[in-house]
Amino acid sequence: DQQVKQNSPSLSVQEGRISILNCDYTNSMFDYFLWYKKYPAEGPTFLISISSIKDKNEDGRFTVFLNKSAKHLSLHIVPSQPGDSAVYFCAASDRGSTLGRLYFGRGTQLTVWP
Amino acid sequence: DAGVTQSPTHLIKTRGQHVTLRCSPISGHKSVSWYQQVLGQGPQFIFQYYEKEERGRGNFPDRFSARQFPNYSSELNVNALLLGDSALYLCASSGDPDRARYEQYFGPGTRLTVT
Repeated sequence: DQQVKQNSPSLSVQEGRISILNCDYTNSMFDYFLWYKKYPAEGPTFLISISSIKDKNEDGRFTVFLNKSAKHLSLHIVPSQPGDSAVYFCAASDRGSTLGRLYFGRGTQLTVWP
Repeated sequence: DAGVTQSPTHLIKTRGQHVTLRCSPISGHKSVSWYQQVLGQGPQFIFQYYEKEERGRGNFPDRFSARQFPNYSSELNVNALLLGDSALYLCASSGDPDRARYEQYFGPGTRLTVT
């Protein structure tokens, strides 16, 4: 049962434009959300996160928005750069769990073209 | 400082065989988690270890086992390999298990192919 869903397997954006990657979740116990970026032949690297007590978190070109009522979050990249081309994973953790288990979506392949 | 390291990088095994994958966490990190990423899917949680103790496991059969050593490195073992075990196996480390839900650092993974 996929508790974190990324329904767009791919996204193509021109350099300089905004990239918006979406993520939905079903488990109301999720209270912390993370975005990871993954290049081929490398492990996922942490990008940005947000706690459920916030609705927005910014870090440079990256902003994550959280809509708890809709169980939806999005990652905005502005401006997009060719080096941003990678697979982006949305992940969530469960406040009711004693484990550091992360639940991942299937990922979205972002391609930024010049 | 070295990040999370995993070995081997790639591995090809035959159905029914056994495999051992290795992981060294970031220096000072005591918690290690293992994930399986099948092609086209996101990483799926297999185990978390802390101070050599298993803290929990995901929905994986008993063919999957792991252990953690006194230096906090870890091994993932898979017995009686099936074709469906072909995947990228990722190891992640964190300072302690309570921090793992906020920050996990992943290694490059071991690509296992079962033929």
